[in-house]
Amino acid sequence: DTEVTQTPKHLVMGMTNKKSLKCEQHMGHRAMYWYKQKAKKPPELMFVYSYEKLSINESVPSRFSPECPNSSLLNLHLHALQPEDSALYLCASSQGSGRGGNQPQHFGDGTRLSIL
Amino acid sequence: QQQVKQSPQSLIVQKGGISIINCAYENTAFDYFPWYQQFPGKGPALLIAIRPDVSEKKEGRFTISFNKSAKQFSLHIMDSQPGDSATYFCAALTFSWGYQKVTFGTGTKLQVIP
Repeated sequence: DTEVTQTPKHLVMGMTNKKSLKCEQHMGHRAMYWYKQKAKKPPELMFVYSYEKLSINESVPSRFSPECPNSSLLNLHLHALQPEDSALYLCASSQGSGRGGNQPQHFGDGTRLSIL
Repeated sequence: QQQVKQSPQSLIVQKGGISIINCAYENTAFDYFPWYQQFPGKGPALLIAIRPDVSEKKEGRFTISFNKSAKQFSLHIMDSQPGDSATYFCAALTFSWGYQKVTFGTGTKLQVIP
């Protein structure tokens, strides 16, 4: 079992819906990440939070809105998504102390998102 | 711009054989080189990782070989098993203050046949 928990595991939504993805970790990590992964491709970075502050936004469309309520939780709010946004959305975390920690980040199992 | 090149794209190995996946990078500022294993419907799981000042690291049946001068590193899976069938991503990390950035290779789909 992964130490990064993502809910829901599957989500089907229409283009006009509003939904949220949730990610939780209890490893004391202070950096959290959202990735998008299309089939047969590597994960693509979307956002990075470090110490609950947004550090990186990889030019992600505004229909994706991240939120970090506390050091253990990361949300991704979705609104007016397009069919091409269908993908596996992965959350990851890593140590935040010093220079990003000295261990690679841990991934959750993702949310499989389908846009109708 | 692809900074980590991975080959082969797919690999079929007989059970008990050696699986070898190769990666090459361009950026000399990378701090760490992990390999991730991903099964269908799951997230990438950290398999093994190496620092650039180490030439080889072994964990069980998995070994990373690292050639800093050639900017290449590879994953060797000894005694490959059907349960090893998965997609493998090499990666290169850059540590920044408070977070890290990962550059992934394109992935290798490994199939181990009985």
